[in-house]
Amino acid sequence: DTGVSQDPRHKITKRGQNVTFRCDPISEHNRLYWYRQTLGQGPEFLTYFQNEAQLEKSRLLSDRFSAERPKGSFSTLEIQRTEQGDSAMYLCASSFVTGGSEAFFGQGTRLTVV
Amino acid sequence: DQQVKQNSPSLSVQEGRISILNCDYTNSMFDYFLWYKKYPAEGPTFLISISSIKDKNEDGRFTVFLNKSAKHLSLHIVPSQPGDSAVYFCAASDSGAGSYQLTFGKGTKLSVIP
Repeated sequence: DTGVSQDPRHKITKRGQNVTFRCDPISEHNRLYWYRQTLGQGPEFLTYFQNEAQLEKSRLLSDRFSAERPKGSFSTLEIQRTEQGDSAMYLCASSFVTGGSEAFFGQGTRLTVV
Repeated sequence: DQQVKQNSPSLSVQEGRISILNCDYTNSMFDYFLWYKKYPAEGPTFLISISSIKDKNEDGRFTVFLNKSAKHLSLHIVPSQPGDSAVYFCAASDSGAGSYQLTFGKGTKLSVIP
């Protein structure tokens, strides 16, 4: 399977715990994005990387969120001190660095904070 | 404020007929538009896109029309098939902003009735 891969698919955690998600993009893609989707909404942009550089962060990304993409390959998204409002589907996408390039999404990680 | 709007939360169509999904946008800087299809518990799947220099793009049963003056685009599916039943998201990006982050609408749930 050469698509975008995310792990885990589901995560249930207690409020206050830290969680980390992993995304493996399509190997030839330079850009990697994180989005969050809540019920009844479309995906919302969180942050993106071009190779290993994190070039943009949404104001949705509070200080409790941190993302990395060491070596420009896979990426991790960590949420510290989780809150119930963090419950959502976290989606990773990747694309080429060219104008009008379509982003391809992974299957997402469903986070439930109890 | 929602920059991409899909005003119909749901749409039901008979198998074999045309499905028309609509999308409006407010940000005049958007110059690339995409449609994604999403099944429950999966990430969005890219369907078709259109650049602002075009007014129509066709791919098999799917055609996207863009009316820049009205800031409106639509997705036509002909003929509709039961497997097309899913949530369809309209998305837009501003290539001038550099990140190609996507701004999504809230989605339209399409049900194709056999």
